[in-house]
Amino acid sequence: RKEVEQDPGPFNVPEGATVAFNCTYSNSASQSFFWYRQDCRKEPKLLMSVYSSGNEDGRFTAQLNRASQYISLLIRDSKLSDSATYLCVVNPGGSYIPTFGRGTSLIVHP
Amino acid sequence: DAMVIQNPRYQVTQFGKPVTLSCSQTLNHNVMYWYQQKSSQAPKLLFHYYDKDFNNEADTPDNFQSRRPNTSFCFLDIRSPGLGDAAMYLCATSRDRASDEQYFGPGTRLTVT
Repeated sequence: RKEVEQDPGPFNVPEGATVAFNCTYSNSASQSFFWYRQDCRKEPKLLMSVYSSGNEDGRFTAQLNRASQYISLLIRDSKLSDSATYLCVVNPGGSYIPTFGRGTSLIVHP
Repeated sequence: DAMVIQNPRYQVTQFGKPVTLSCSQTLNHNVMYWYQQKSSQAPKLLFHYYDKDFNNEADTPDNFQSRRPNTSFCFLDIRSPGLGDAAMYLCATSRDRASDEQYFGPGTRLTVT
């Protein structure tokens, strides 16, 4: 089992839709979790950190489920500008080296 | 204001010709990373520095070397680029431990002819 797994998609949704991505991780000792957004041929940019209690930033909600070892990202009211690849990053305990998932591609169409 | 700067943005080199990519940061972060990213793949960590301590990933080829002469600068040297080394090279920083969020530079796209 890979350390961090994501469904590569693409997720193809209409504007205004709600879409959710999951990311599973194998190391139960993982300590910190992030979602990054990466546009085509650009660098990843932090979208949000994922806290144990869950967190929300506008249309974006991130959740952590430690028991099942996954994090999720929910995007409400999708915009065309949300089209991008969403990378899950997990920091396993001990080594402090962040591990990237391969990303989930989102395409929002009119 | 750019916080992590990479130069050049695009680099074309010939097969076997050494090339150096540079990264600088204005964040005064302790940790600097070099990633290789190929199309539709996750960024692959090559190595990182925690302050002056160099940490090489086990599967990073010997062809790749790095230098960090001071807090602000970090270099990636590819001694003998092969066609398979064509990729986007991303530099990132984090404030302290890798558990902190990372800030990425815009990347250098390397082409090997």
